[in-house]
Amino acid sequence: EVQVLESGGGLVQPGGSLRLSCAASGFTFSSYAMSWVRQAPGKGLEWVSTVSGSGGGTYYAESVKGRFTISRDNSQNTLSLQMNSLGVEDTAVYYCARNSDGSGKNHFDFWGQGTLVTVSS
Amino acid sequence: DIQMTQSPSSVSASVGDRVTITCRASQGISSWLAWYQQKPGKAPKVLIYPATSLQSGVPSRFSGSGSGTDFTLTISSLQPEDFATYYCQQAYTFPRTFGQGTKVDVK
Repeated sequence: EVQVLESGGGLVQPGGSLRLSCAASGFTFSSYAMSWVRQAPGKGLEWVSTVSGSGGGTYYAESVKGRFTISRDNSQNTLSLQMNSLGVEDTAVYYCARNSDGSGKNHFDFWGQGTLVTVSS
Repeated sequence: DIQMTQSPSSVSASVGDRVTITCRASQGISSWLAWYQQKPGKAPKVLIYPATSLQSGVPSRFSGSGSGTDFTLTISSLQPEDFATYYCQQAYTFPRTFGQGTKVDVK
């Protein structure tokens, strides 16, 4: 059974940093791109970042480029999101999601339950 | 960036109703479109990808149509478990973009 489980959310002050993790199981992790998608309270879904299966290709939303870094450890089946210079606009539930295949045109076929990041003083 | 525009933003319907949600892309995306269903406090679940292909385990009352820039999600006979918010998402290029969502609630 495919499972992805996020951790690392919490309360952080504006300007601070936080690192999210996602533990994956039930599939060959290195064969799939992985992504982070977020949802601000009461708002819609916003794609944040994607990393290729090998980790060699990374993509970011303009809103987080230069502040967030996505990475993966295929030996540990884990995905990470390092978030720096956090602002109140980054407050959201962050979902870890598996990309459906190795093509460049894929959707998010499995999602975690999400982890809440709150940026507030 | 490709903008995805859904309409309506919300729809009130009754069990048994036919519900149609549209999604328009600001430029052509061929059939690289996904539809998701999200219930309160839960992660989204993919219903259809690409544009017209029902995902495994999704009831046949859901269907998708369209290509290029105009797409439709149809629920042929609304069931109690279908009250939720629905999102479209283009998978054509980065940045990936979602529609703003359509909330289906009880009439």
